[in-house]
Amino acid sequence: KQEVTQIPAALSVPEGENLVLNCSFTDSAIYNLQWFRQDPGKGLTSLLLIQSSQREQTSGRLNASLDKSSGRSTLYIAASQPGDSATYLCAVKGANNLFFGTGTRLTVIP
Amino acid sequence: DAGITQSPRYKITETGRQVTLMCHQTWSHSYMFWYRQDLGHGLRLIYYSAAADITDKGEVPDGYVVSRSKTENFPLTLESATRSQTSVYFCASSDSQQMNTEAFFGQGTRLTVV
Repeated sequence: KQEVTQIPAALSVPEGENLVLNCSFTDSAIYNLQWFRQDPGKGLTSLLLIQSSQREQTSGRLNASLDKSSGRSTLYIAASQPGDSATYLCAVKGANNLFFGTGTRLTVIP
Repeated sequence: DAGITQSPRYKITETGRQVTLMCHQTWSHSYMFWYRQDLGHGLRLIYYSAAADITDKGEVPDGYVVSRSKTENFPLTLESATRSQTSVYFCASSDSQQMNTEAFFGQGTRLTVV
């Protein structure tokens, strides 16, 4: 069974700092990897989708990388802002499921 | 409005009662999913549907029933609610399972079983 791990579970950084969130998965046979943002009491907002054949994707201040062979992905957030405070989830797509990590709770301190 | 909507957003029910959570999407996506989110477990798949009248079990299907008579709707029923089913439930849809397409999520239903 696919296991997805996100480290760290929580992270606090001062505003303006660049940061990296980590995601690892045990089975490299994936179709894609998706990063989501979840605000308290809210649903999941898709941030970036990396297809299994791709190495990275960028959207604004966000950059996600994928190393399928080693089972790792990172989400890089540049110049963090208080509005970036949220829980970030990574999910890998298998044959009939999206397997989720438990998330990294990010707090950006003004 | 386009998108995926869940109702109700909040629900309190008693143990043993039947509860149905609704999910509606306007994109005509073929795949729809139900997840539950619990502290320490992340999101776990309950059931999914590849198309109208096609459903299959996910990781934690016990105690739940689904149906999909129309492409746009995918209701989740708890036949006899238990306290362990207190959770936040998310519905999702995607255009195709095998292709590299995004999954889109609803806002969630917070269910409390007392």
